[in-house]
Amino acid sequence: QKEVEQDPGPLSVPEGAIVSLNCTYSNSAFQYFMWYRQYSRKGPELLMYTYSSGNKEDGRFTAQVDKSSKYISLFIRDSQPSDSATYLCAMILYSSASKIIFGSGTRLSIRP
Amino acid sequence: NAGVTQTPKFRVLKTGQSMTLLCAQDMNHEYMYWYRQDPGMGLRLIHYSVGEGTTAKGEVPDGYNVSRLKKQNFLLGLESAAPSQTSVYFCASIQSPERQETQYFGPGTRLLVL
Repeated sequence: QKEVEQDPGPLSVPEGAIVSLNCTYSNSAFQYFMWYRQYSRKGPELLMYTYSSGNKEDGRFTAQVDKSSKYISLFIRDSQPSDSATYLCAMILYSSASKIIFGSGTRLSIRP
Repeated sequence: NAGVTQTPKFRVLKTGQSMTLLCAQDMNHEYMYWYRQDPGMGLRLIHYSVGEGTTAKGEVPDGYNVSRLKKQNFLLGLESAAPSQTSVYFCASIQSPERQETQYFGPGTRLLVL
């Protein structure tokens, strides 16, 4: 079993829709939770990070962490074609010299 | 401030050949990482460094070596390339794990081993 599970998609939604991306994890020692966006043939870029349960909002993006269920989500409101990319979740085992474990990524396409 | 740069951008190797990938960062970051990304596998950590002169193995270190002689540079070496090492390689740097907002990835190196 992978430490971090993420549905690879692809996920296709119409412009303006609310998008929900999710990851589950097995190790309760994870302390930091991140979401990255990766455009085709580019490196990942950090979108959001959090280290506590609850919600964190940044513009159209909301990151949600539920440590009791070992489940994290990224919501995108008013989705735009420019949001079309692969989204990767990632988590850190702080005690392991900052080793970051990535999900496999969900490919998202926003239809105009 | 160029961020994180990687050299080369693309390379084709024959089985058994060697090469070195260079990662450079100008942000004075302590931590540097080498990942490989394969379809359906996400990013997997090859080696990492928590400071100049230090290196450590990640999840998939076999067939690779690294060096961090200067704080700004992290080199990834393939001594004898194999087709299984065909992948996209990403370098990343971060000031410290507590400062996730400082993390940056390079643009990647696409490697094809024939």
